[in-house]
Amino acid sequence: SQTIHQWPATLVQPVGSPLSLECTVEGTSNPNLYWYRQAAGRGLQLLFYSVGIGQISSEVPQNLSASRPQDRQFILSSKKLLLSDSGFYLCAWSDPGARAFFGQGTRLTVV
Amino acid sequence: SQQGEEDPQALSIQEGENATMNCSYKTSINNLQWYRQNSGRGLVHLILIRSNEREKHSGRLRVTLDTSKKSSSLLITASRAADTASYFCATISSGDKLTFGTGTRLAVRP
Repeated sequence: SQTIHQWPATLVQPVGSPLSLECTVEGTSNPNLYWYRQAAGRGLQLLFYSVGIGQISSEVPQNLSASRPQDRQFILSSKKLLLSDSGFYLCAWSDPGARAFFGQGTRLTVV
Repeated sequence: SQQGEEDPQALSIQEGENATMNCSYKTSINNLQWYRQNSGRGLVHLILIRSNEREKHSGRLRVTLDTSKKSSSLLITASRAADTASYFCATISSGDKLTFGTGTRLAVRP
């Protein structure tokens, strides 16, 4: 069966520090991969999505970037975090046109 | 940007009552999905309705889709306290872009 791993669950980082959040999927091949950010009590903002290795679509370029170095690995990065980068980050995967499966999320607090 | 807008933003009902949430979207879609999120957790898929379907049922859930009005509704019948959560609609548009609405916070009072 397919599983999705997202870590860490919580992260406290100082302003100006780098960020690397990793998401990996098992049990499937060539999945669509997604990164979302959710502010408290709000909806999900699509940040990046990828339909294949090296194919990244950016919705909110700002201070973040994403990479897909392997078929089932999706990484969200920042070179220098801002206070406004705080939030709940969610990774998800899906087969094309099908339901999505979510990781448990990373709560990032930038201090 | 958000593709969908849910209505209402928050809903409080008594256990046993029905809960109806609505979703409107902007662009052409391949399908529309509904998800549930418990506080501080990842989202869980509830139901998917394709663009050529008008209604779909799954247990106590009933989803309708009106592509001419670009809207969908989720009905939860005989609600339970455990249904308390946030509910989101999501659409897949061309290029497999999956975008979510703003969500409805449902509170079911025991």
